[in-house]
Amino acid sequence: GAVVSQHPSRVICKSGTSVKIECRSLDFQATTMFWYRQFPKQSLMLMATSNEGSKATYEQGVEKDKFLINHASLTLSTLTVTSAHPEDSSFYICSARTSGGIQYFGAGTRLSVL
Amino acid sequence: DQQVKQNSPSLSVQEGRISILNCDYTNSMFDYFLWYKKYPAEGPTFLISISSIKDKNEDGRFTVFLNKSAKHLSLHIVPSQPGDSAVYFCAASYTGANSKLTFGKGITLSVRP
Repeated sequence: GAVVSQHPSRVICKSGTSVKIECRSLDFQATTMFWYRQFPKQSLMLMATSNEGSKATYEQGVEKDKFLINHASLTLSTLTVTSAHPEDSSFYICSARTSGGIQYFGAGTRLSVL
Repeated sequence: DQQVKQNSPSLSVQEGRISILNCDYTNSMFDYFLWYKKYPAEGPTFLISISSIKDKNEDGRFTVFLNKSAKHLSLHIVPSQPGDSAVYFCAASYTGANSKLTFGKGITLSVRP
């Protein structure tokens, strides 16, 4: 299947700092990428849909100024958690959708805010 | 409102036997369904999908069945292997330029050696 690379896999930061997470589709172009958040023992919660060359579409309840998304190319989307706080600690996962409609996921990023 | 439901949180089967994972949905607009497998602290791995124009899709040990009238789909794994032990998510979407996946809560499958 297609490969999606997510970096970093784990990040620990101090409260108030910003953290950038990268998501790359390695062997296909993706006009649409997605960012999810997973809480312990729960399903994946869609945060936003990232569209190449245009603004991201955020789900209800997700602060767009808090979670900045940039999809500058067909193979790269970034999520920046601005002024991170301990409640932002979570497992963040990106996915990229192929032209066939299948989403392939990155390995996830474990964010810990101290 | 949970549009994709995986009502059984866990399933335990003996190695070599069949695993049947069930999923129900409520939104009749869904026309594409996917199953993903997930290990802890990793991203989901795509397993198999099915379009609403079909009622069965098979790929190796994995078969997905779709019953549109009952709004029900199931994933069959046969024979089950210990390496299949993971959380399995059912997901659904509908045709659209930016269609997003709606996930169930997942089922934890344990395959006993």
